[in-house]
Amino acid sequence: TQLLEQSPQFLSIQEGENLTVYCNSSSVFSSLQWYRQEPGEGPVLLVTVVTGGEVKKLKRLTFQFGDARKDSSLHITAAQPGDTGLYLCAGGGNNDYKLSFGAGTTVTVRA
Amino acid sequence: EAQVTQNPRYLITVTGKKLTVTCSQNMNHEYMSWYRQDPGLGLRQIYYSMNVEVTDKGDVPEGYKVSRKEKRNFPLILESPSPNQTSLYFCASSFGTGARSEQFFGPGTRLTVL
Repeated sequence: TQLLEQSPQFLSIQEGENLTVYCNSSSVFSSLQWYRQEPGEGPVLLVTVVTGGEVKKLKRLTFQFGDARKDSSLHITAAQPGDTGLYLCAGGGNNDYKLSFGAGTTVTVRA
Repeated sequence: EAQVTQNPRYLITVTGKKLTVTCSQNMNHEYMSWYRQDPGLGLRQIYYSMNVEVTDKGDVPEGYKVSRKEKRNFPLILESPSPNQTSLYFCASSFGTGARSEQFFGPGTRLTVL
């Protein structure tokens, strides 16, 4: 099993502030995904990154895949209360049926 | 509407009483899987299925069974539930495998085993 460690575990910020969530592993992944999960619901995919060094932007969210494909970060600019949720990273190999998830970062954005 | 459905959403049962959690998807996905989510441990894969009649163990398969007789359905069976199986369970489906394919998750089933 490939282990993914996320940090911090919890993050509480004021509306308008920026935040960064990290996802690290000692293993190399062929691709990595970020999901957001809201209370009472299943996770929903935000982005998939597949190339080392890749940067993807989704409105105020910026995702980066490390050059060595062992780590990733999620940066939110000017966070809003609607960004509140559990953020999960997940990684796998090219032909890997198994998907490994990190434990998640719980983000709370206060109005 | 494209979706993954799970039933029941909530279940309280007692140790040893067999139960089944159903999962169904209407997206014609070949790949389906079951996860359990526990505080501080994230999502851990229990079983997965690559197609009809093809299933394999994930990271935490002990105490669980699955079957895939039809493409759309992937039930999770607990033959003799124990308190350590109290958890939040998610079914997911996707077109492909691994982390290049979007996983579509159901709404979750919260199971309590007394």
